[in-house]
Amino acid sequence: EAQVTQNPRYLITVTGKKLTVTCSQNMNHEYMSWYRQDPGLGLRQIYYSMNVEVTDKGDVPEGYKVSRKEKRNFPLILESPSPNQTSLYFCASSLTGWDGYTFGSGTRLTVV
Amino acid sequence: GQQLNQSPQSMFIQEGEDVSMNCTSSSIFNTWLWYKQDPGEGPVLLIALYKAGELTSNGRLTAQFGITRKDSFLNISASIPSDVGIYFCAGQLDDKIIFGKGTRLHILP
Repeated sequence: EAQVTQNPRYLITVTGKKLTVTCSQNMNHEYMSWYRQDPGLGLRQIYYSMNVEVTDKGDVPEGYKVSRKEKRNFPLILESPSPNQTSLYFCASSLTGWDGYTFGSGTRLTVV
Repeated sequence: GQQLNQSPQSMFIQEGEDVSMNCTSSSIFNTWLWYKQDPGEGPVLLIALYKAGELTSNGRLTAQFGITRKDSFLNISASIPSDVGIYFCAGQLDDKIIFGKGTRLHILP
């Protein structure tokens, strides 16, 4: 089944403890992207990648890192999480970037 | 930066009613997309529009790409309980996709 898989689905962590949210897609998509969703703010793009080893900042990149070492994986790294990064995170992928994104099921992160 | 104004923010309707929501922007987009998000899930693409003036249907859903390329609307006809959720518009230009803040649809029994 064609899908975007993110793990974990839920995560509670403490301020400053590095964490990684994994994202994998099995559709051979070129484009991948990370979004955060907050009440009243909708979906905001954190980082995106147009191909392997090509990444670029979205609208809210501060406090996040990404890497794209292989086409199928696009992990999101929080080196030193803070409470304002408590949010619902979505990974998404697209074949061309023009045909709409397929979203994962989300990761709900709480930083205390 | 670019912004999309999506309205209404929320709607309460009776089952069987038609629904209309829209997105406007001061910026031009090459593509308009409409997504639906069910509780606990990621957004799912409903309709993609690629040409100004384009009108596209997907079952009971109809969406249009505005002539000015700055707006789009989504209509849902004869709503049913499973239509409940959050609907997002998204405008795309080059590599950038901007999402609206969503319209939350509630259906009264």
